[in-house]
Amino acid sequence: NAGVTQTPKFRILKIGQSMTLQCTQDMNHNYMYWYRQDPGMGLKLIYYSVGAGITDKGEVPNGYNVSRSTTEDFPLRLELAAPSQTSVYFCASNPSGNTEAFFGQGTRLTVV
Amino acid sequence: GESVGLHLPTLSVQEGDNSIINCAYSNSASDYFIWYKQESGKGPQFIIDIRSNMDKRQGQRVTVLLNKTVKHLSLQIAATQPGDSAVYFCAGMTTDSWGKLQFGAGTQVVVTP
Repeated sequence: NAGVTQTPKFRILKIGQSMTLQCTQDMNHNYMYWYRQDPGMGLKLIYYSVGAGITDKGEVPNGYNVSRSTTEDFPLRLELAAPSQTSVYFCASNPSGNTEAFFGQGTRLTVV
Repeated sequence: GESVGLHLPTLSVQEGDNSIINCAYSNSASDYFIWYKQESGKGPQFIIDIRSNMDKRQGQRVTVLLNKTVKHLSLQIAATQPGDSAVYFCAGMTTDSWGKLQFGAGTQVVVTP
């Protein structure tokens, strides 16, 4: 099992550009999450999904969108990149919404 | 919302010694408290959790203590090894929150030879 796979690992965006951060998991987990981690800080929840076709906002959803068309994939979309979105983004999955989430390796995004 | 935070940003520990990582929380609504470990360049990894109605739980080389009176959580690592060097996060979760985690800021543990 590959677990949770995120692409790309690194990306530099110009202000106003858009991009999609990809996340896929091969564990057949229903629950998936997107977190961002700013330097020296804990992770903050952007969006989450409890199953295909169901998504909801987390703590910091502004500037982002998500979709969940399949159990495996949970892409995160940035429409108009801003410097404040410079961060490391982590995707995670969870089989049943319990305490053990499985995280990907992260995507380091810089907006200049 | 809940706030979970840490006392010390950096902890330096000699190899073989025991480590104690502390976490203070302000909101008692969590049903679980969890410790995650994040190695450099990787995503967080689950270590251990404790239900809010417990005060101690042991795992392999780790022990988590919960003191609800003073809203304090700690992670003890026995016989710290170089592989324990990482950032450690405490997090809280309620059972009706679909697995959403509320993370604290993290403590960097550096293991010295």
